[in-house]
Amino acid sequence: KQEVTQIPAALSVPEGENLVLNCSFTDSAIYNLQWFRQDPGKGLTSLLLIQSSQREQTSGRLNASLDKSSGRSTLYIAASQPGDSATYLCAVKSGGGADGLTFGKGTHLIIQP
Amino acid sequence: DVKVTQSSRYLVKRTGEKVFLECVQDMDHENMFWYRQDPGLGLRLIYFSYDVKMKEKGDIPEGYSVSREKKERFSLILESASTNQTSMYLCASCASSLKTQYFGPGTRLLVL
Repeated sequence: KQEVTQIPAALSVPEGENLVLNCSFTDSAIYNLQWFRQDPGKGLTSLLLIQSSQREQTSGRLNASLDKSSGRSTLYIAASQPGDSATYLCAVKSGGGADGLTFGKGTHLIIQP
Repeated sequence: DVKVTQSSRYLVKRTGEKVFLECVQDMDHENMFWYRQDPGLGLRLIYFSYDVKMKEKGDIPEGYSVSREKKERFSLILESASTNQTSMYLCASCASSLKTQYFGPGTRLLVL
C-alpha cells in the first residue's frame, strides 16, 4: 500500500528565504504527483502537477521536482513571502483508473515578516 | 476556472441522524471524489465516482454511501451519523484520471 511522508511537519523561516519542502513515497509506480496548498479551515488549492514522465514543473516562484525511481519529490519556494504561509500537501496517483490520491500529512509553513 | 462547491461550510447533527453532503462541479468533469480530513491522519478517500451512477469504495467507506444521479453532482450520505464521523469533508473532481484534482471549500461536520 502506498504511503506518502512529508518532512518537515512544520517549518518557520524569515521572509525572503528560499526553502525546500520534501515528499517521499514508498511505491515508485506512480502516474503523477500533485502539490497542494491549504489555508486554515479551507479546501485545497492545486499548485503543481507532475506526470510520471516529467522531472519538474514550474509556476512562478514555485518549482517542483520528481525523482520517481528514488520515490522523492521536492517543492522549492523562492523568495518566500508572508502570504506563502499555509500547509503544503503532497499527493500521489498510484492507480491508472479513476481512483483517488494518496496524501501526505503536510508541512505547516510559517513565513515570518 | 474550475469551481467545486459544497452545500454547507459548517454542519451540526445529532447521533443517528441521516446526513447529506452535496457537491457540485461546473466543468463537466468525469471523476468526483469524497475525502475526509482529520488531524494526524491527513486526507483519506471515502468514495469516488467515474461516471453517472457509477461508484467505487475508497479506503474508508464504512458508514458512508454515495449517490451520483447527474454528472455534476456527487452526494455523500451518512446513513446514521456517529460521533466518530465528526470531521472535515472535502469533495474533489477531475476531468480524467490523470488530470489535476480540484477541491471544494470543505464541510466541517460536527456530530453530537
